[in-house]
Amino acid sequence: DVKVTQSSRYLVKRTGEKVFLECVQDMDHENMFWYRQDPGLGLRLIYFSYDVKMKEKGDIPEGYSVSREKKERFSLILESASTNQTSMYLCASSFTGLPNQPQHFGDGTRLSIL
Amino acid sequence: DQQVKQNSPSLSVQEGRISILNCDYTNSMFDYFLWYKKYPAEGPTFLISISSIKDKNEDGRFTVFLNKSAKHLSLHIVPSQPGDSAVYFCAASANYGGSQGNLIFGKGTKLSVKP
Repeated sequence: DVKVTQSSRYLVKRTGEKVFLECVQDMDHENMFWYRQDPGLGLRLIYFSYDVKMKEKGDIPEGYSVSREKKERFSLILESASTNQTSMYLCASSFTGLPNQPQHFGDGTRLSIL
Repeated sequence: DQQVKQNSPSLSVQEGRISILNCDYTNSMFDYFLWYKKYPAEGPTFLISISSIKDKNEDGRFTVFLNKSAKHLSLHIVPSQPGDSAVYFCAASANYGGSQGNLIFGKGTKLSVKP
């Protein structure tokens, strides 16, 4: 089974802090994704990566950056946390080699910015 | 503009009956559709998918129907069980020249199955 692990289930940070959310997958997937989920808004894509050191903006990249130095690890960075970034953050990965492969999600990080 | 729409925020069903969750899309380029289930405090779990070359895909109690002309898909759960109570997300993507595009998610429908 695919395992996507997010380093923290719950995190509380202060406004202005630099925040790192880490995600690791163990299935050698090429693609990795960061989403945020907010009530009534569904899942919105922040950033994604198709390969090591590659990154692409999603629908809501403002205030975020990402890093992918190794294939299995994809980090989301909040450069200067703000209260409107309080949310559930979800990491996902998928395989490129065959068409129509589902994304597999981690359990999420509930981030609160005070 | 929402490309994937789940117009019912919530649905309540009696245990043992059928649950039908609906999803509409606007982008005719979408050719792969998925349903995810999400429990509180957990990540979404892939449930079932369907390619646009099919109009039905079945997996145990779960069946997804695709009506391309209406740009509509539905998830049927029969019989519904209390453990099916969760938020269900519909998602779609398009294959561009063999390279699969990103998933576009609907806003979700919260299903409650009452004993």
